[in-house]
Amino acid sequence: QSALTQPPSASGSPGQSVTISCAGTSSDVGGYNYVSWYQQHPGKAPKLMIYEVSKWPSGVPDRFSGSKSGNTASLTVSGLQAEDEADYYCSSFAGSNILLFGGGTKLTVL
Amino acid sequence: VQLVQSGAEVKKPGESLKISCKGSGYSFTSYWIGWVRQMPGKGLEWMGIIYPGDSDIRYSPSFQGQVTISADRSISTAYLQWSSLKASDTAMYYCARNVGNYFDVFDIWGQGTLVTVSS
Repeated sequence: QSALTQPPSASGSPGQSVTISCAGTSSDVGGYNYVSWYQQHPGKAPKLMIYEVSKWPSGVPDRFSGSKSGNTASLTVSGLQAEDEADYYCSSFAGSNILLFGGGTKLTVL
Repeated sequence: VQLVQSGAEVKKPGESLKISCKGSGYSFTSYWIGWVRQMPGKGLEWMGIIYPGDSDIRYSPSFQGQVTISADRSISTAYLQWSSLKASDTAMYYCARNVGNYFDVFDIWGQGTLVTVSS
């Protein structure tokens, strides 16, 4: 199984919206509604931001939203803030004993 | 609710190693604990997962045979071990609590254990 495909970088100005994609196949992203998104600041552990495509864990602002179309999932960050600058990783269940992560996207707030 | 991992390790190739992840503040035996590797400057990789309640273990095909996952529920601790380290095992290793139906939702993460393998 290959890693899910994310763009290496994304950027936006404060207050703007940015969308990060996560491309997979019908065996992973397209086959299950079990896509999660994690935020990781430098030197820190990842933090769960979205689960089951579009659900929010407690404490995560609704500026973060998730969606899926076919084999591609997306994370949208609205009203960009300086503290949103971080690496973002998607993950998807891929059947059997397999969880796949994306390669990560570095989000820069200009 | 937290997971606290053991400290950084510096080892030589061929040596063995066991790192730990201690859970507290919740019923340790009721949630799967997963292990995730992050090589220097790279992304996250799912290694495997254990259910401390009955020690059911699932390995990623990429890590099957390369590492051993275990748990001691009497002390709420999960482990990741290597019998013979390689330089390519140098990485940060995270444990994380799974709350999803399919090993897909890690809501609590340990602080990470940095493993450095160098001669």
